[in-house]
Amino acid sequence: DSGVTQTPKHLITATGQRVTLRCSPRSGDLSVYWYQQSLDQGLQFLIQYYNGEERAKGNILERFSAQQFPDLHSELNLSSLELGDSALYFCASSAGPGTEAFFGQGTRLTVV
Amino acid sequence: DQQVKQNSPSLSVQEGRISILNCDYTNSMFDYFLWYKKYPAEGPTFLISISSIKDKNEDGRFTVFLNKSAKHLSLHIVPSQPGDSAVYFCAVTGGKTSYDKVIFGPGTSLSVIP
Repeated sequence: DSGVTQTPKHLITATGQRVTLRCSPRSGDLSVYWYQQSLDQGLQFLIQYYNGEERAKGNILERFSAQQFPDLHSELNLSSLELGDSALYFCASSAGPGTEAFFGQGTRLTVV
Repeated sequence: DQQVKQNSPSLSVQEGRISILNCDYTNSMFDYFLWYKKYPAEGPTFLISISSIKDKNEDGRFTVFLNKSAKHLSLHIVPSQPGDSAVYFCAVTGGKTSYDKVIFGPGTSLSVIP
């Protein structure tokens, strides 16, 4: 158990809908990262927050947004969903830049 | 433009032998390097790391080697065990423009044959 909790584990939704994925980082970790893994692809970095502030952005679509709350949990919002958004979404947390990140079990999103 | 490359998508090794997984990166500003292991339907698990001030780090059966001049790192697993069969991701972080990102390579699928 990495200590990073992601909910829900599975999500099935229709095209055009909006969903929210939730992540609780390990106790004490200030950094939260979001990654997308599509069909045996690598892990694509989406966005990173540190202590509530956005610190780095990757290939995140404009339809996607995220935030980190004062209690350090984070949410990834995906809107106007398309079939191609079906993927595993992972959250990871770390103590800060330059330290190892620990991953949650992921949320499997299926858009039908 | 891939900043982290793992040119072998898959690797098969006999149980008891050495597994060598390779990773190349493009930006010399990266200063912290990690290896993760991933089983299907699970999140990646941190395995071992190395900072740019070292050229070798060992943890049990796992050793990571860093060649900064070649921008290359490798993971050695000795002896390989069937339970090591998984996808291995190399990851890098550090540098002025990407300090907060942890960038992953595409992964190498290792099969250890009993």
